[in-house]
Amino acid sequence: DIQMTQSPASLSASLGETVTIECLASEDIYSNLAWYQQKPGKSPQLLIYYANSLNDGVPSRFSGSGSGTQYSLKINSLQSEDVSIYFCQQNYDSPNTFGAGTKLELK
Amino acid sequence: EVKLQQSGDELVRPGASVKMSCKASGYTFTDYAMHWVKQSPGQGLEWIGTIIPLIDTTSYNQKFKGKATLTADKSSNTAYMELSRLTSEDSAVYYCARYGSWDWFAYWGQGTLVTVSS
Repeated sequence: DIQMTQSPASLSASLGETVTIECLASEDIYSNLAWYQQKPGKSPQLLIYYANSLNDGVPSRFSGSGSGTQYSLKINSLQSEDVSIYFCQQNYDSPNTFGAGTKLELK
Repeated sequence: EVKLQQSGDELVRPGASVKMSCKASGYTFTDYAMHWVKQSPGQGLEWIGTIIPLIDTTSYNQKFKGKATLTADKSSNTAYMELSRLTSEDSAVYYCARYGSWDWFAYWGQGTLVTVSS
């Protein structure tokens, strides 16, 4: 199985700040990567797919980039509603696999 | 509007089985595969498997073969997952999920919490 390693496991940032979350795949996944946001007590929600495509309705302050084995999610101008856990997921190879998550909190 | 409505939380005894449901609405049930995902504090998110309701074909993550059984009822637009021989390791929230326009989980149920305890 392809291992997805996310970093950091948690981070604290201030309103208006820019934050970046990284995801490292154990092998090349050819941009077959998605990012999900999960708010407390809720189901995950798709933010980004194919590494850099914004899902419908997702604010433009979210962006994704990367290729090969290294990917990142950037949140510009952090808002209070962005407090969540963020997961990456690859579907290049079966079984699709997820990162362990990054917990984002407000400073 | 696509909706995946899951059955309620379950408290089950070790060694028992549990069957949960996911009722789909807002789209043609047989047009999309239904996936199941486990979320546990220790293991994060794990893909369990998928069922294609149109042809009743299933595919499982090797890790969950023998643990999970996926079925679907086309007449009621409902997918089911049964978990057998439950242990504390099976205590988790289980989600059904569906792809959107691309092969990513764009739609999720609200989750079913399974607690295995004597």
